[in-house]
Amino acid sequence: GAGVSQTPSNKVTEKGKYVELRCDPISGHTALYWYRQSLGQGPEFLIYFQGTGAADDSGLPNDRFFAVRPEGSVSTLKIQRTERGDSAVYLCASSLGQGANNEQFFGPGTRLTVL
Amino acid sequence: AQSVTQLGSHVSVSEGALVLLRCNYSSSVPPYLFWYVQYPNQGLQLLLKYTTGATLVKGINGFEAEFKKSETSFHLTKPSAHMSDAAEYFCAVSESQGYSTLTFGKGTMLLVSP
Repeated sequence: GAGVSQTPSNKVTEKGKYVELRCDPISGHTALYWYRQSLGQGPEFLIYFQGTGAADDSGLPNDRFFAVRPEGSVSTLKIQRTERGDSAVYLCASSLGQGANNEQFFGPGTRLTVL
Repeated sequence: AQSVTQLGSHVSVSEGALVLLRCNYSSSVPPYLFWYVQYPNQGLQLLLKYTTGATLVKGINGFEAEFKKSETSFHLTKPSAHMSDAAEYFCAVSESQGYSTLTFGKGTMLLVSP
């Protein structure tokens, strides 16, 4: 079956612009996660959705970052007034349910470059 | 709070040699431990995980890891490296209670030479 998909695969933008990154989870997966992977680092947690609600957004670095999942499936990560430090690969993962026994399946990521 | 330390950002081995990638963790509650592999331009793929029970866990592609609570370690091994094993490997920890955000190490790039 289809895995987690993310669009676009690459996004280049200018400092100060607004960007949206999309994640399509595996069908039927209720849990959805966003991570950010900077160069030379491991992925860092940003936000977790259980269904439509953000159950934990403690990893969002500041109020320029926001994510939604209005119908409990597709999620969009939104970044306002982008800064060069936002350049990274943004990873999305989904799992069948919450709890560490549920494997997280990762998408290929969106590489964001802020010039 | 949880953290993961992976010793060595790069490890080089010859084809056929033993692979050993080191991972140490800290966790305030009993941990669940994971190894992921990332090939270029691909998503993270789960290699193996430890939740409860047997401390030696076997994963895909001939990899295995042993959970050693006394050493707070979860090192990844493979008896004989193959060229196709060249990739970046990430160790991760999550709490065994509640939901499961993962805390990752910085990763180790495995280089395999012929």
